[in-house]
Amino acid sequence: EAQVTQNPRYLITVTGKKLTVTCSQNMNHEYMSWYRQDPGLGLRQIYYSMNVEVTDKGDVPEGYKVSRKEKRNFPLILESPSPNQTSLYFCASSLSLAGVSEQYFGPGTRLTVT
Amino acid sequence: ELKVEQNPLFLSMQEGKNYTIYCNYSTTSDRLYWYRQDPGKSLESLFVLLSNGAVKQEGRLMASLDTKARLSTLHITAAVHDLSATYFCAVDGGSTSGTYKYIFGTGTRLKVLA
Repeated sequence: EAQVTQNPRYLITVTGKKLTVTCSQNMNHEYMSWYRQDPGLGLRQIYYSMNVEVTDKGDVPEGYKVSRKEKRNFPLILESPSPNQTSLYFCASSLSLAGVSEQYFGPGTRLTVT
Repeated sequence: ELKVEQNPLFLSMQEGKNYTIYCNYSTTSDRLYWYRQDPGKSLESLFVLLSNGAVKQEGRLMASLDTKARLSTLHITAAVHDLSATYFCAVDGGSTSGTYKYIFGTGTRLKVLA
């Protein structure tokens, strides 16, 4: 089954404790992206990747890191989480941006930083 | 700067009525996407509009794109309760704008009342 998976689905952590949210897709998609969703703000793009080893900042990259060592995986790293990073996070992928680029979304990760 | 604005933000309507959600965008990209999000769920793709004048229909939803006006509409015909959800429009920067960001509107929360 074609899908985007994220882990964990729920995470409660404390300020400053490094964490990684994994994202994997099995559709051989080139483009992958991370978003955060906050009430009243819609989805805001954190980082995106056009392909392996090619990443770029979205609109809200501060406090986050990403890497794309393999085509299928795109982990989101919070080196020192803070309470303002409490949010619902979505990973998504699409075939490429050269043509039709509808995104396929993972189930979401709800992160709480205390 | 890429911007996407939706209105209204909230929409409460009676079953059987018609209504339109509007999506204005600032980029020159001519690719516009509509997504649906049910409460507590992830996003799923509804429509992909790729050119000026494009019109797509699925059931009681119809989406259209006017690239000259940088406007897309999502028209709801004879609403039913099952259409209650949050609807997002989005554009991608594409190669013409020099960025490959993906920008979402803030969403329209639709509630259909029996």
